Amino acid sequence: DQQVKQNSPSLSVQEGRISILNCDYTNSMFDYFLWYKKYPAEGPTFLISISSIKDKNEDGRFTVFLNKSAKHLSLHIVPSQPGDSAVYFCAASVISSGSARQLTFGSGTQLTVLP
Amino acid sequence: EPEVTQTPSHQVTQMGQEVILRCVPISNHLYFYWYRQILGQKVEFLVSFYNNEISEKSEIFDDQFSVERPDGSNFTLKIRSTKLEDSAMYFCASRVQENQPQHFGDGTRLSIL
Repeated sequence: DQQVKQNSPSLSVQEGRISILNCDYTNSMFDYFLWYKKYPAEGPTFLISISSIKDKNEDGRFTVFLNKSAKHLSLHIVPSQPGDSAVYFCAASVISSGSARQLTFGSGTQLTVLP
Repeated sequence: EPEVTQTPSHQVTQMGQEVILRCVPISNHLYFYWYRQILGQKVEFLVSFYNNEISEKSEIFDDQFSVERPDGSNFTLKIRSTKLEDSAMYFCASRVQENQPQHFGDGTRLSIL
């Protein structure tokens, strides 16, 4: 199942610089996209989401961009902090008949922010 | 901040035995989910539950699996006749309403011996 792809398994960034995490999807029915952060031995923690009617959503240091024509979204973290070091998952959902909105996850990107 | 809680954090079971994984979703949430992550693989959807019934289930969620909301707070996943390949992290999630994100618990690590 490759409906949501994160092609970079890892990313290293200097503290204070911008982190850009990328995600591609193939299912054009996806209409809601989310980013989760995960520390070891914890569950995914919701970070930020975007609906397909928007192309940008911002929350503090986190901004998500959606390019529907390219089926691509990205998460920008500015400025990056050592505490941001974690695995970041992209997830997407599509309205089903039951409106349960199950999530389809990417494989994750390990972000390391170097002090 | 309210959170989804899962118990136990780690469950070790002999192959062929039954296990019950427990979850307490956030209290005002209406939609409940189980996902699993086999080591080295993606997080995979298992089942969703709304209004006291299953609303969606994946191909993984066969007759071996069942879910239940026995009271107003708990949400359980039962796995019968466990197999070695059932070893994984199992995550419970809940959501309050449409267009709101799912919130996850810290998971139960299930080890089948």
